[in-house]
Amino acid sequence: DQQVKQNSPSLSVQEGRISILNCDYTNSMFDYFLWYKKYPAEGPTFLISISSIKDKNEDGRFTVFLNKSAKHLSLHIVPSQPGDSAVYFCAASSDSGTYKYIFGTGTRLKVLA
Amino acid sequence: GAGVSQSPSNKVTEKGKDVELRCDPISGHTALYWYRQRLGQGLEFLIYFQGNSAPDKSGLPSDRFSAERTGESVSTLTIQRTQQEDSAVYLCASSLMASSETQYFGPGTRLLVL
Repeated sequence: DQQVKQNSPSLSVQEGRISILNCDYTNSMFDYFLWYKKYPAEGPTFLISISSIKDKNEDGRFTVFLNKSAKHLSLHIVPSQPGDSAVYFCAASSDSGTYKYIFGTGTRLKVLA
Repeated sequence: GAGVSQSPSNKVTEKGKDVELRCDPISGHTALYWYRQRLGQGLEFLIYFQGNSAPDKSGLPSDRFSAERTGESVSTLTIQRTQQEDSAVYLCASSLMASSETQYFGPGTRLLVL
């Protein structure tokens, strides 16, 4: 049973446009969410996070939005750059086990020059 | 500074053999995690260490899997009598403390069981 779902396995976006990556979760106990980026042959690297007390967190070109009622979060990248091409993983945790992140299956983003 | 390192980067083994995967966390990080990513799936939590103790082994898929950590540093994940379904990328991560927000991942070990 997949508690964190990324339903789009891939996404292509033109350079300079906005990339929107989506993530849905089923466990209402999740209260902390993260996005990781992964390049081929490398481990995932932390990108941005959001606590459930917020509905938006922004860091430069990256913004994460959280809709608790819909159990949905999204990552916006604007403007998208070719170097953003990677696999993006959404992850979630609950207060009872902050170390045990539940990851989605990832979305492969390709930014076209 | 040095990040999380893992060895070997790739391992091909025959079904039934034992394998050992190594993780060197970031120096000073007290928490260490092992994850597995099978083809087309997300990262799957296996085990977590706080210091040299493993308070949570709930993710280990079977008793063929074991892990240890020594000196609050290096960790070894051992898979005995490997099966083809063990083929995956095994990722190690570390964080300053268990409650730290950010886990830093190593590059992973790609295991192929023939």
